[in-house]
Amino acid sequence: DTAVSQTPKYLVTQMGNDKSIKCEQNLGHDTMYWYKQDSKKFLKIMFSYNNKELIINETVPNRFSPKSPDKAHLNLHINSLELGDSAVYFCASSQVGDTIYFGEGSWLTVV
Amino acid sequence: GENVEQHPSTLSVQEGDSAVIKCTYSDSASNYFPWYKQELGKGPQLIIDIRSNVGEKKDQRIAVTLNKTAKHFSLHITETQPEDSAVYFCAANNAGGTSYGKLTFGQGTILTVHP
Repeated sequence: DTAVSQTPKYLVTQMGNDKSIKCEQNLGHDTMYWYKQDSKKFLKIMFSYNNKELIINETVPNRFSPKSPDKAHLNLHINSLELGDSAVYFCASSQVGDTIYFGEGSWLTVV
Repeated sequence: GENVEQHPSTLSVQEGDSAVIKCTYSDSASNYFPWYKQELGKGPQLIIDIRSNVGEKKDQRIAVTLNKTAKHFSLHITETQPEDSAVYFCAANNAGGTSYGKLTFGQGTILTVHP
């Protein structure tokens, strides 16, 4: 059973398009996150949600909009994609104060 | 905000040798220090973590040490095996603060274990 699952794993799209990445966790955690890993493998948090409420919103362009329909899901919608958005996006989850578990990643390539 | 520096960026060892990766952090409020292993094409996996109320933690071939005064922590892998080859990341966080989950990662260390 996959604990934190995200889809799609690979996504190639043209500049200007709008795309979404979905994430689901079956660990019963109350907090979910989106992290971005750039081409140099640097990992940085984008957003976190606790019980569907936005807790952390780093300096991310407002073209990125997370949506949490329930505690087990946190989707990432990206509008007007740009070349610089190409990266690996990781969903993660945890209980507050506990280990953070990452998904397998979604490789986004904007052409 | 927190800043985490990780060294070395690459590390090459022979199978059976030990490997040590070091990290320093800047925010004295940080109290949780996990280490993640990332294999090619996969997400980061927690391998060990340490909280600021202990100085050392060990799990089989892996150990982590923490020096709060100097604000540095290290990962030690003994008897390395080829399957230990991966990218290793250290991270720091204030687990009790409102920014819980905002892990600040180091730059990563590419570990290669040669058979």
